[in-house]
Amino acid sequence: SAVISQKPSRDICQRGTSLTIQCQVDSQVTMMFWYRQQPGQSLTLIATANQGSEATYESGFVIDKFPISRPNLTFSTLTVSNMSPEDSSIYLCSVEDGLGAETQYFGPGTRLLVL
Amino acid sequence: QKEVEQNSGPLSVPEGAIASLNCTYSDRVSQSFFWYRQYSGKSPELIMSIYSNGDKEDGRFTAQLNKASQYVSLLIRDSQPSDSATYLCAVNNYGQNFVFGPGTRLSVLP
Repeated sequence: SAVISQKPSRDICQRGTSLTIQCQVDSQVTMMFWYRQQPGQSLTLIATANQGSEATYESGFVIDKFPISRPNLTFSTLTVSNMSPEDSSIYLCSVEDGLGAETQYFGPGTRLLVL
Repeated sequence: QKEVEQNSGPLSVPEGAIASLNCTYSDRVSQSFFWYRQYSGKSPELIMSIYSNGDKEDGRFTAQLNKASQYVSLLIRDSQPSDSATYLCAVNNYGQNFVFGPGTRLSVLP
């Protein structure tokens, strides 16, 4: 499976600021996804990062709050904008293996605390 | 709305016992089923995938799928304290997004 890295691994941010999270994959992948995992909760899909076009957002998530870039097949960024304490969460990047089985593999995650 | 349900636990089993984790899903046309293990503070890691009715074994892990009952389970034989984690069930239909269950917290007692 692909090797996925995320930066930063964790951060503490002030209310009202923005944070950009990077996801790098060691091979080209078609599908990349961004998830949020709030404390004690399961995974919630934020959006699918599409290469060369705008991301596809799930219900409850909007581009102004979570802008996403996907400049190529190995890299994506998620920005959490105008942060509030409610944005404190783990943000996970995942990729699909592209072998037809649509299996997803996750990066190590970014742990965000907003004060 | 597509739903995946799991008992939140914690499920406690003694070391060496069989741990049985269950998952039900609402979307009858789901085609792919996955079990992920998530240690505290870590990201989910894939344990098993299953696509056809019946059992699929991989080492100490056995996934069981019953599409008629919309039910998928994970059995862990000879449970070890290192198996203590949250187990997430995920369901997918080709071309659509994964839906994750809330997870079951497993505690294996030495």
